[in-house]
Amino acid sequence: SQQGEEDPQALSIQEGENATMNCSYKTSINNLQWYRQNSGRGLVHLILIRSNEREKHSGRLRVTLDTSKKSSSLLITASRAADTASYFCATVNTGGFKTIFGAGTRLFVKA
Amino acid sequence: SQTIHQWPATLVQPVGSPLSLECTVEGTSNPNLYWYRQAAGRGLQLLFYSVGIGQISSEVPQNLSASRPQDRQFILSSKKLLLSDSGFYLCAWKLGGGNMNTEAFFGQGTRLTVV
Repeated sequence: SQQGEEDPQALSIQEGENATMNCSYKTSINNLQWYRQNSGRGLVHLILIRSNEREKHSGRLRVTLDTSKKSSSLLITASRAADTASYFCATVNTGGFKTIFGAGTRLFVKA
Repeated sequence: SQTIHQWPATLVQPVGSPLSLECTVEGTSNPNLYWYRQAAGRGLQLLFYSVGIGQISSEVPQNLSASRPQDRQFILSSKKLLLSDSGFYLCAWKLGGGNMNTEAFFGQGTRLTVV
């Protein structure tokens, strides 16, 4: 069964606006990761946040993690049309072998 | 540098035919290897993972099987395809050795259509 559940399922915004995507999960994790997928392609890793971290930044990306609520958010600031893609959260179990993905958020940034 | 190769990119197969998808990784040793399936517009479903040669863990009972005959080779197979096997299949690898805080690297995927 899938671990992470993203919210919203789809998001449409104007270029320059911020995009926020949320992820909830069910079990204990070692870390949580966010990936991006362009249509019909493989996934590309964006950022990893460990279970003992609360916030992490990478360029225009900001990720938060709340282990008490078993949730994470991905914020993309000053979005661009090139950010149009599907975004997935993924959790790594405490054993470290399995990476489980959520259903994803489809982001559409209008120019 | 490490690279992952997955082929073919697209495949159309009749119901009841066999399947063999291959994935190879270069530039690393003893990787953890994964097969995922993605239905249209959906998330990724973990099918199999392997932490070493000949070691296969199955996540979901399927009409599929996986094998790892060599350290950097991961094969997804089926003896008889079903219509429900259609989807986008993705191979991925992660560094092995017990480091949990590593990212997964994905191949470009195989779009399988069973007709």
